[in-house]
Amino acid sequence: GQQLNQSPQSMFIQEGEDVSMNCTSSSIFNTWLWYKQDPGEGPVLLIALYKAGELTSNGRLTAQFGITRKDSFLNISASIPSDVGIYFCAGVGGGADGLTFGKGTHLIIQP
Amino acid sequence: DTGVSQNPRHKITKRGQNVTFRCDPISEHNRLYWYRQTLGQGPEFLTYFQNEAQLEKSRLLSDRFSAERPKGSFSTLEIQRTEQGDSAMYLCASSPRSGLNTEAFFGQGTRLTVV
Repeated sequence: GQQLNQSPQSMFIQEGEDVSMNCTSSSIFNTWLWYKQDPGEGPVLLIALYKAGELTSNGRLTAQFGITRKDSFLNISASIPSDVGIYFCAGVGGGADGLTFGKGTHLIIQP
Repeated sequence: DTGVSQNPRHKITKRGQNVTFRCDPISEHNRLYWYRQTLGQGPEFLTYFQNEAQLEKSRLLSDRFSAERPKGSFSTLEIQRTEQGDSAMYLCASSPRSGLNTEAFFGQGTRLTVV
């Protein structure tokens, strides 16, 4: 089946630092979504991207839909403790049913 | 409306027993999805409904699994003769439009443990 390659797998950063993570795929997607998941909870939608090249912000979060439609990145500026969690990218389309998820980036913030 | 609701939040069952989970989507969302998530992995698609019609099923959905959405509102996912490999978080999501290019909103999930 399709796979999304999400990197890095984990990040250890200091509070206040900026964060960058990305997803790549061998398939073209029509929509890219970024979710955050806390332990024992369902994923929460952060940003949705619908057009190649689109750059969208949500507070301190910024995400972009790659021009080739095969990649996306998520940036978090000035990280705070509540940013801790697992971030997932997900693609819609590419011949698959439903969303195709990456394996997640585990963000850990050191005080 | 407070979002997608799933019940129960946790379920522990003995191997071989049947279990049923319920999902109440966001009102007026006509698409409803079921996903399964194991530790350290992203959610994996199981099946989805457009209103009451089940349109697609993943190969992950063995014949022990059945899902229904009888009136196009809430949905149930039943697992018969549970196996230890069924232990996972089962997530439900709904989306507001019938098009494919649309965001999905997830519930809090049902954590299944098969002992």
